[in-house]
Amino acid sequence: GAGVSQSPSNKVTEKGKDVELRCDPISGHTALYWYRQSLGQGLEFLIYFQGNSAPDKSGLPSDRFSAERTGGSVSTLTIQRTQQEDSAVYLCASTRTGKETQYFGPGTRLLVL
Amino acid sequence: GENVEQHPSTLSVQEGDSAVIKCTYSDSASNYFPWYKQELGKGPQLIIDIRSNVGEKKDQRIAVTLNKTAKHFSLHITETQPEDSAVYFCAASISNFGNEKLTFGTGTRLTIIP
Repeated sequence: GAGVSQSPSNKVTEKGKDVELRCDPISGHTALYWYRQSLGQGLEFLIYFQGNSAPDKSGLPSDRFSAERTGGSVSTLTIQRTQQEDSAVYLCASTRTGKETQYFGPGTRLLVL
Repeated sequence: GENVEQHPSTLSVQEGDSAVIKCTYSDSASNYFPWYKQELGKGPQLIIDIRSNVGEKKDQRIAVTLNKTAKHFSLHITETQPEDSAVYFCAASISNFGNEKLTFGTGTRLTIIP
């Protein structure tokens, strides 16, 4: 079946601009995660959504970062006033209710010039 | 919070030989330890996982061992093949069955030499 999809696959933007990254989880998956992967680094947790519960935003690095999940499905990660240090691969993952396995999308490669 | 360290950062082995990647974690409450494989340009893919009530788990050529006392776990790949070349990540979390905020290691780039 269809996996987690993310768009765009690549994004180049200028410093100071806002960007929106989209994640479509696997159909029926109730939990959705965002991670950031900087060059040569591991994945860094950003934010987590579970059903209708309040999201866990503990990993967001600054108030320039925000995310929403509409209708319990699609999620958008927004980065305002982008900085060069925001350049990274942003990965989305989803899980089924009560399951631990996280299924990752291919990521969005963000480059801030 | 949890901290996961992973070694080595790069590993080259001859095709057919075994590869071992090691990770340590800091939070004794962590009870779920997955391993992910990431190929170039793709997202990570789960290859095996282990829970703290188990000391070892095998799946064909892949095995994971866990030492809760020492707080370390290892990935073992036997009879390596060229398609095993990738970046491997370990991770740890306090599993709440649907609330896994994974903490990842920094990755190991495995190269299989034909």
